[in-house]
Amino acid sequence: DIQMTQSPSSLSASVKDRVTITCRASQGIGNYLAWYQQKPGKLPKLLIYGATTLQSGVPSRFSGSGSGTEFTLTISSLQPEDVATYYCQKYNTAPLTFGGGTKVEIK
Amino acid sequence: QVQLVQSGAEVKKPGASVKVSCKASGYTFSTYGFSWVRQAPGQGLEWMGYVSAYSGHTDYAQKVQGRVTMTTDSSTRTAYMELRSLRSDDTAVYYCARDQGGTYLIEYWGQGTLVTVSS
Repeated sequence: DIQMTQSPSSLSASVKDRVTITCRASQGIGNYLAWYQQKPGKLPKLLIYGATTLQSGVPSRFSGSGSGTEFTLTISSLQPEDVATYYCQKYNTAPLTFGGGTKVEIK
Repeated sequence: QVQLVQSGAEVKKPGASVKVSCKASGYTFSTYGFSWVRQAPGQGLEWMGYVSAYSGHTDYAQKVQGRVTMTTDSSTRTAYMELRSLRSDDTAVYYCARDQGGTYLIEYWGQGTLVTVSS
């Protein structure tokens, strides 16, 4: 099975900082990569799919890039409401593995 | 609007079974499929499996293969996940999640069902 590895597992940054999270697949998955945001005590929320497509209603400070085996989620200007854990997930074929998550905090 | 409403919290003893339901509304039921995802306390998201409401086709994660059955009932617009031979490490919030249609991409989530396994 394809493994999904996220880094870092946690980060602390200041408001307005640029934040980048990486997700690596152990084999190529094309662009079948989604990013989810989960705030404490809340449901996961789809942010980006197809590696680069912003889900409707998601602020434009979020962006995704990559294809094949290496992907990134970027928050161009971190806001207090972005405190959450972020997960990548492959969805080309089963198993639809999630990455381990990246916890984002405000410094 | 799409809504997925799950059944309530469960407390089970080790070795028992649990069946969680997920009632869908706001769209054509048989056009989409459901993933089941769980999250142990303080842990990340774990994909458990998928069931197509159109064909009944299932895919299960290796970790739960043999203990899990996922089904749908179009007459009641409900998806089900049954997990057998429960262990303490099955304690988690279990989510049903609907796909986008045409792909496995998860677009909508149920509210979650806490399953606690304890003697």
